[in-house]
Amino acid sequence: AQSVTQLDSQVPVFEEAPVELRCNYSSSVSVYLFWYVQYPNQGLQLLLKYLSGSTLVESINGFEAEFNKSQTSFHLRKPSVHISDTAEYFCAVSPSGGTSYGKLTFGQGTILTVHP
Amino acid sequence: GAVVSQHPSWVICKSGTSVKIECRSLDFQATTMFWYRQFPKQSLMLMATSNEGSKATYEQGVEKDKFLINHASLTLSTLTVTSAHPEDSSFYICSAILTGGRQETQYFGPGTRLLVL
Repeated sequence: AQSVTQLDSQVPVFEEAPVELRCNYSSSVSVYLFWYVQYPNQGLQLLLKYLSGSTLVESINGFEAEFNKSQTSFHLRKPSVHISDTAEYFCAVSPSGGTSYGKLTFGQGTILTVHP
Repeated sequence: GAVVSQHPSWVICKSGTSVKIECRSLDFQATTMFWYRQFPKQSLMLMATSNEGSKATYEQGVEKDKFLINHASLTLSTLTVTSAHPEDSSFYICSAILTGGRQETQYFGPGTRLLVL
């Protein structure tokens, strides 16, 4: 079984400031790691994912996350946020194989609010 | 990108009635769809895996007779909440995997908010 903990339920930040959204996970098997974003009244959208290889993964809109196996973390960062980044962010894991392949376990979500 | 729709987006019903929620993949075929549930201030929890042409597989603690899932075509899965009660009030979200695509690429619907009075 897997579990995901997002350490902050809400993160307020000013525009152009850096931000870090924290995510820790536990699992007895190898996992894939994901960050999803949900804008108001929209479905979850994949922001970025770690499957294998380089532990630092990036999204097209400036976010990045680093997989740290020893600390079982997958924190999301952005050096300079915009108002349009205001949304709820979900960290998730899924087993990388076996019968549970593809089944996502989500964290509780972090609401990022960017103020002007 | 791939689009998944859900209908209705919200529904209010009386206790004891049944409610059907549709999940459609609009521009791709999906052999596998997932149904999640999210209670207020809680995380999304996987309820079941919907497989086209076969029975759904349910997660532990989810009543299969209460939450009926039908995946009759490659673009449609339905979740029917039978004899709904107030405790079934929740946000129901589906996701779909592009047939032939990688299991880790899921496309999510916008969700259906159910309120049972």
